[in-house]
Amino acid sequence: NAGVTQTPKFQVLKTGQSMTLQCAQDMNHNSMYWYRQDPGMGLRLIYYSASEGTTDKGEVPNGYNVSRLNKREFSLRLESAAPSQTSVYFCASSLVGAREQYFGPGTRLTVT
Amino acid sequence: EDQVTQSPEALRLQEGESSSLNCSYTVSGLRGLFWYRQDPGKGPEFLFTLYSAGEEKEKERLKATLTKKESFLHITAPKPEDSATYLCAVQAVDDKIIFGKGTRLHILP
Repeated sequence: NAGVTQTPKFQVLKTGQSMTLQCAQDMNHNSMYWYRQDPGMGLRLIYYSASEGTTDKGEVPNGYNVSRLNKREFSLRLESAAPSQTSVYFCASSLVGAREQYFGPGTRLTVT
Repeated sequence: EDQVTQSPEALRLQEGESSSLNCSYTVSGLRGLFWYRQDPGKGPEFLFTLYSAGEEKEKERLKATLTKKESFLHITAPKPEDSATYLCAVQAVDDKIIFGKGTRLHILP
């Protein structure tokens, strides 16, 4: 039982490049989330998926897109990376709603 | 505007010295308040959920309490392994989650 896994762990991009962050959970959870964490800003919700087939914007969705591929997988795409998107990205899942969330280990992204 | 404020930003305690961390919130209808622990370089780890004023939850040396305006995380006789950043989050009636910036706790042996 791996919990929540994220790939890659580290990534460096140049401005304008695109990439997809992958997240998978093996706990049969219904809800999945993408956050970014910046120094002095705390965790901010980018997008979430309350259940398979649905996605909704969070606090900071601009510049990102998401896909809930199936119940297990929730990906985050940066179409044209900008330095302001340099951050640590966390994926999380919960059985239902936003109650007890389980977080992945994070992806550290640097955009130069 | 919905808001979560944690204080202090950082706290240094001697081993065995009890203290409390504060999480004050302004939200349009509270559905739940959550406490997480985050170690450096790792994702947050769930600790507690509180749903209504007066509710309390305990786990080892930690106890979380909730009032209508704030929550406290009480740490009794802490040990060095309790050193971490403690995050508070609230869920509003629109299901949005708002995290505070956290309190960095350092327990000196």
